[in-house]
Amino acid sequence: DAKTTQPNSMESNEEEPVHLPCNHSTISGTDYIHWYRQLPSQGPEYVIHGLTSNVNNRMASLAIAEDRKSSTLILHRATLRDAAVYYCIRPARGLNYGGSQGNLIFGKGTKLSVKP
Amino acid sequence: DVKVTQSSRYLVKRTGEKVFLECVQDMDHENMFWYRQDPGLGLRLIYFSYDVKMKEKGDIPEGYSVSREKKERFSLILESASTNQTSMYLCAIRADTEAFFGQGTRLTVV
Repeated sequence: DAKTTQPNSMESNEEEPVHLPCNHSTISGTDYIHWYRQLPSQGPEYVIHGLTSNVNNRMASLAIAEDRKSSTLILHRATLRDAAVYYCIRPARGLNYGGSQGNLIFGKGTKLSVKP
Repeated sequence: DVKVTQSSRYLVKRTGEKVFLECVQDMDHENMFWYRQDPGLGLRLIYFSYDVKMKEKGDIPEGYSVSREKKERFSLILESASTNQTSMYLCAIRADTEAFFGQGTRLTVV
């Protein structure tokens, strides 16, 4: 179903860029790709989402492969506060996230550690 | 700011007790979700609701039920709590392109 594959963990140095990869090889043509992150002792929070072209916001950039089978979340300058579990997800059951019944299926995510 | 409020941050219940976890949102959104989160397993969807009195099973509904009598409130019910339901429970709403989560309820069943 809504399977995505991410590395279990990654490490980064403070102030350096971080590229978090995600494979979603079975994604359908209308499924958006979403990224959330979960800081320690908090619920997940939205980071960014996209469909085909690259996306930027104040938190991060999202680079989506041309075939849409993979994407990369880019944190341009990691800070200690970016240490979190990052989830790459897509709507379940082929439903567009914008649909009235779209829901999000979370995998295990990537635990990002940031070293000072 | 969107607010998703879960009634308790920490709960300790005994095996066999009936447990209610409450979630309230202040944004009038239709879609509400209950997840549980366990180490090594990530977040798993228990139930969701897309309207008052409507509900759908997620991936792990066994042992749980839900209630949505009012749009702003979505309750997760453990009819007879068991130790394997010890977990972090997260409520979420979906609003257009984003989902918003509550702070979570850490439930311990002893």
